Amino acid sequence: GENVEQHPSTLSVQEGDSAVIKCTYSDSASNYFPWYKQELGKRPQLIIDIRSNVGEKKDQRIAVTLNKTAKHFSLHITETQPEDSAVYFCAASKYGGSQGNLIFGKGTKLSVKP
Amino acid sequence: EAGVVQSPRYKIIEKKQPVAFWCNPISGHNTLYWYLQNLGQGPELLIRYENEEAVDDSQLPKDRFSAERLKGVDSTLKIQPAELGDSAVYLCASSGRGELFFGEGSRLTVL
Repeated sequence: GENVEQHPSTLSVQEGDSAVIKCTYSDSASNYFPWYKQELGKRPQLIIDIRSNVGEKKDQRIAVTLNKTAKHFSLHITETQPEDSAVYFCAASKYGGSQGNLIFGKGTKLSVKP
Repeated sequence: EAGVVQSPRYKIIEKKQPVAFWCNPISGHNTLYWYLQNLGQGPELLIRYENEEAVDDSQLPKDRFSAERLKGVDSTLKIQPAELGDSAVYLCASSGRGELFFGEGSRLTVL
């Protein structure tokens, strides 16, 4: 089955700097790659997703890139703010999230220092 | 629109006791998931329903865990008997056309 590796496990940056989180997946049939943000004690919430027919997607300060050949995808956060501090999870599934099982990485705890 | 609703939010029980968690998905979402989240870890899938059918329960420890979604809407996850290692957050999620929406979770502590 699918296996998703995520790194780093912790990341500390200064406010205004960029943060990059990387994930690799094992199943070449996976075609849907969402990223979730989870604040302490809260539910995971989708922040951005990408499908395999696209190489890059951007939404304001957040962007995701996908390299299907290498089977890895990355989350880029620019101009980080203290409210970006949270745990970020990548995930992968086949057929799209509603028709397959989302397999999650172990998470990256991002700390943005003011 | 109401999100995914779970109850109880917190439950403390002694080992060997039974416990049940309830989930009401977003209206119209046919797919429902139960995930387990240990502290500092990503969510791990326990079971996925398409309407009332459990289409993937391969990761559900069936000796003590059971789940149902009788009318294809609400779902219940049960543990009987609970063990110390079951302490975790149990997340319910639903989806309609791709994006998963999670509930706030039910935090279980087994003493």
